[in-house]
Amino acid sequence: EVQLLESGGGLRQPGGSLRLSCIASGFTFSSNTMAWVRRAPGKGLDWVSNLGGSGDVKYYSDSVKGRCIISRDNSNSIMYLQMIGLRTEDTAIYYCARIGLPGTFDIWGQGTTVTVSA
Amino acid sequence: DIVLTQSPGTLSLSPGERATLSCRASQSVSSNYLAWYQAKPGQAPRLVIYATSSRATGIPDRFSGSGSGTDFTLTINRLEPEDFAVYYCQQFGDGNSPRYSFGQGTKLEI
Repeated sequence: EVQLLESGGGLRQPGGSLRLSCIASGFTFSSNTMAWVRRAPGKGLDWVSNLGGSGDVKYYSDSVKGRCIISRDNSNSIMYLQMIGLRTEDTAIYYCARIGLPGTFDIWGQGTTVTVSA
Repeated sequence: DIVLTQSPGTLSLSPGERATLSCRASQSVSSNYLAWYQAKPGQAPRLVIYATSSRATGIPDRFSGSGSGTDFTLTINRLEPEDFAVYYCQQFGDGNSPRYSFGQGTKLEI
């Protein structure tokens, strides 16, 4: 079964940092571009970042550029999102997703919740 | 950046009825890169339609997508109780700096 499982969310103060993880199973992880998408309370889905299969090609949304680093460990089928300089507006459920079809997020995880509050 | 605007914000219907959800883009979108997702609280979002009109794996044929250019539609015939959720459209722009954007969502409620 194709599955994505996120972890690493929690409560942080503004300016803090954390690292989210996404463990993939049921497919050839290294062959797929992966992404992070978030949903803030009361708001819609918002693309955060994506990373090519080999880990060399990466893109970030303007809202997180310079504060996030996306990476992957293909040997263990894990993707990461390191976040620094957290802001209250980063409060959201963070989903890991596979871009298995052109321009499309075809598999999603259940999400991990990040709360940034003083 | 391309902005997607969905309407209506909330759609109240009954099981057995037809739902028509709209997604309008601020500029033309490639039909290869227009998708729809279903989201329910506490669950992983689910791909419903990709490339404007192709159903994702496991999606029943009462779901259909159509459109081109700046106007796209998701139609759900014969609504089932499990169809009531929030639906998002999404586009991908593959320029020098690839961008994914979502609409704000349409809540389909009983």
